[in-house]
Amino acid sequence: DVKVTQSSRYLVKRTGEKVFLECVQDMDHENMFWYRQDPGLGLRLIYFSYDVKMKEKGDIPEGYSVSREKKERFSLILESASTNQTSMYLCASSRGGTGNTGELFFGEGSRLTVL
Amino acid sequence: AQKVTQAQTEISVVEKEDVTLDCVYETRDTTYYLFWYKQPPSGELVFLIRRNSFDEQNEISGRYSWNFQKSTSSFNFTITASQVVDSAVYFCALSEDEGAQKLVFGQGTRLTINP
Repeated sequence: DVKVTQSSRYLVKRTGEKVFLECVQDMDHENMFWYRQDPGLGLRLIYFSYDVKMKEKGDIPEGYSVSREKKERFSLILESASTNQTSMYLCASSRGGTGNTGELFFGEGSRLTVL
Repeated sequence: AQKVTQAQTEISVVEKEDVTLDCVYETRDTTYYLFWYKQPPSGELVFLIRRNSFDEQNEISGRYSWNFQKSTSSFNFTITASQVVDSAVYFCALSEDEGAQKLVFGQGTRLTINP
C-alpha cells in the first residue's frame, strides 16, 4: 500500500521556535510538495522539490524553508514560528518524468498551532 | 493568473439525493489540466479524476460523474444517489503543466450526507 507519512499529526509550538515538519514517501517518487490548508483558502503550495537537493518556491514560501537530502524525505522548516503560521500542513508526492499522470499522493496532514 | 472558485462552501443533503459540486476556473493557457480530490475526515486527500483541456467528454465512474464545459470554464462534479461515506471536503484544482507541479486549488466544498 503506497504511503506518504507525516511525522506528527498535531504540534503545539511557541512563537519564535524553530519547527521541523517531516514527510516520508515509500513510492520512489521524484516530486514532493508541501501545502498549507486554511479554511476558505483551500490548499496553497509552499515549496516543491523535483529531485534530491532541488527545490522551487510555490505561492507562499515566505517564512518557510525546505530540505531534501534523500529522495524519500522532504522536510519543511519554520525558522521562527509565528502565530499566522498556525495551520494544517499537507505533504504530497508524485511520479516524475513520463510516468507522471499529475496525481498527487497526500499524507494525513500535520496540524500546527503556534501560541 | 490561474484561479479556481468553488462557490459552495457547504452542502448538506439527505442520503440517496443527487448532489452537484460546482467548480469554475480561470486560466490564460490553452492547455491545462483539471482535477478533483476528496478529503475525508481522516485528512488525507484522495485523487478522483484528471481531465485535460482537449478532452471535453464527460466522465462517469460509478455514482460519480464530471461535466467539463470549456465554454463556461466549469468542471462540475455530480454524485448520484449519495451515501453517508461520500461526506468529505471536495477540492477542484487546476494545473498548467501535465505533471501538476504547481496545482492551484479551489476553496473546497464541505459535503455532508445525512442518513
